[in-house]
Amino acid sequence: GAGVSQSPRYKVAKRGQDVALRCDPISGHVSLFWYQQALGQGPEFLTYFQNEAQLDKSGLPSDRFFAERPEGSVSTLKIQRTQQEDSAVYLCASSPVRDYPPTDTQYFGPGTRLTVL
Amino acid sequence: GQQVMQIPQYQHVQEGEDFTTYCNSSTTLSNIQWYKQRPGGHPVFLIQLVKSGEVKKQKRLTFQFGEAKKNSSLHITATQTTDVGTYFCAGLTTDSWGKLQFGAGTQVVVTP
Repeated sequence: GAGVSQSPRYKVAKRGQDVALRCDPISGHVSLFWYQQALGQGPEFLTYFQNEAQLDKSGLPSDRFFAERPEGSVSTLKIQRTQQEDSAVYLCASSPVRDYPPTDTQYFGPGTRLTVL
Repeated sequence: GQQVMQIPQYQHVQEGEDFTTYCNSSTTLSNIQWYKQRPGGHPVFLIQLVKSGEVKKQKRLTFQFGEAKKNSSLHITATQTTDVGTYFCAGLTTDSWGKLQFGAGTQVVVTP
């Protein structure tokens, strides 16, 4: 079956522009995570959804970052007024588990590489 | 806050040799997961360890969870060129709501 998909795969934005990154999780997966991965680093947690509920957004670096999952499937990560330090790969992961807190395998998408000029 | 450290940061290995990468947490973990990321790719789940002292094997890969559940190791025997990539450990604590805390990874380069 299809894995987690993300679009676009690459995004170049001018400083100050708004961007929207999309994640299509594996069908039926309850949990959805967003991570930010800087070059040479491990993924850093941004936010977590269980169905449409955003249960943890403690990793969002500023109020310029906003995520939503209105129908409990597709999710969008929006970054307003992008800055150069926002340049990174943004990874989405999903998990089938309904456990709370979730402890199961997370399936990662290919990521969106954002470059802010 | 919780910190997960991995050593070494880089590992150059001759094909056929063995090596070990280590993961240490500043806090006790409920479980630890290992992921592999190929160059240009995304993290792919390898294994999850839950029990204190647990050891799991996947072919040439041996994973261990420490008795105190604060450290873990990945040992690869007879390294092959297909083992190239970055290996991440990621820990969960009971209050982290599924928020995996990743280490910085060990980047493995294999010389034929």
